[in-house]
Amino acid sequence: GAVVSQHPSRVICKSGTSVKIECRSLDFQATTMFWYRQFPKQSLMLMATSNEGSKATYEQGVEKDKFLINHASLTLSTLTVTSAHPEDSSFYICSAREAGNSSPLHFGNGTRLTVT
Amino acid sequence: DQQVKQNSPSLSVQEGRISILNCDYTNSMFDYFLWYKKYPAEGPTFLISISSIKDKNEDGRFTVFLNKSAKHLSLHIVPSQPGDSAVYFCAANLGGNKLVFGAGTILRVKS
Repeated sequence: GAVVSQHPSRVICKSGTSVKIECRSLDFQATTMFWYRQFPKQSLMLMATSNEGSKATYEQGVEKDKFLINHASLTLSTLTVTSAHPEDSSFYICSAREAGNSSPLHFGNGTRLTVT
Repeated sequence: DQQVKQNSPSLSVQEGRISILNCDYTNSMFDYFLWYKKYPAEGPTFLISISSIKDKNEDGRFTVFLNKSAKHLSLHIVPSQPGDSAVYFCAANLGGNKLVFGAGTILRVKS
């Protein structure tokens, strides 16, 4: 089945630094990838939709200058958390869908970001 | 505004019995629904889905029921196994590619 690989799985950084998270679709091409964030004991919240070759679409309340998304190829999307603060500490998960709107989203294993 | 609600934060079931996980939604524009299973520190894994034009979909031990008039769906797992212990998320598709997730239900299957 479709596999989505996310890297790194865990990262600790200092306040003010930037962190890049990669999301790759391993056996299929994904023109669209999605970035979610999960707070402890809460649901997955869609942050943005990453579109290959064009600008990402951000959900309301998500700062596009803080969460930079680049979808450089049909198999890779990156999320960069810029000038990270402790409140950005969270579990970030990417997902992608194979061709066809009715196919399920496949998720990466997530990245646990801790900002100290 | 929670469009997808999972009102039970946790559920405990004896091994071999049936697990029933419930989900309610408010938006009648959702065109299909999915259940995901999630272990700690991992991404969600797709389990089963159902189109809004159907009322039941079955896959092995997992069956999803959809009651459109009540805006309610449920996931039945039978027989439940200890390996089923995880967080289960209900999700609804709002046209195109947008999935709206419920808050999740922690299922514990006791042996």
